[in-house]
Amino acid sequence: ETGVTQTPRHLVMGMTNKKSLKCEQHLGHNAMYWYKQSAKKPLELMFVYSLEERVENNSVPSRFSPECPNSSHLFLHLHTLQPEDSALYLCASSQQRTGSYEQYFGPGTRLTVT
Amino acid sequence: AQSVAQPEDQVNVAEGNPLTVKCTYSVSGNPYLFWYVQYPNRGLQFLLKYITGDNLVKGSYGFEAEFNKSQTSFHLKKPSALVSDSALYFCAVSATSGTYKYIFGTGTRLKVLA
Repeated sequence: ETGVTQTPRHLVMGMTNKKSLKCEQHLGHNAMYWYKQSAKKPLELMFVYSLEERVENNSVPSRFSPECPNSSHLFLHLHTLQPEDSALYLCASSQQRTGSYEQYFGPGTRLTVT
Repeated sequence: AQSVAQPEDQVNVAEGNPLTVKCTYSVSGNPYLFWYVQYPNRGLQFLLKYITGDNLVKGSYGFEAEFNKSQTSFHLKKPSALVSDSALYFCAVSATSGTYKYIFGTGTRLKVLA
């Protein structure tokens, strides 16, 4: 967990705001992920980047916009969110293909949309 | 379609007793299977994985899991539970053909009673 950092840890935003979540991995991995964790629901995979190219986009609303400028950094840009978007947003990284496949998670950003 | 089931929302066990947290899966092809643990206000932490080889895999903190192909199960076990093992446990599966896509179970809360 200490190899993946996320900022901010907590975020409260109104429905008309624009904000960004940041994730940084220090593990030299080649894939990065955004997940949404809501109470009593399975972890939802949102986006996957492999070598800075998006390889998965799981029907996520366009009010969520990911960006992966390099293999160590991942952003999630947020705009005009809805109250049901309130959740814990987790970033993860892994080493795929030639690697070990398990994911390493950051501590998450607790997002509250008011 | 891939799926993971964790049939128990909560498991209670006395300290010093053996514990089992259940997981069954459905996937096309050979699965990659993982267990993660989540402590309050933290991200998920990798415990162990099955990729290939010996059906009994050992992981962190004395945990182990047994891959059973005929029963499509991957139950997490520990011979002697500690109060500090109390946390939320997630099983996850990834098909070898699509290793970027991890499907997580809904989680099982383990409560170890002193």
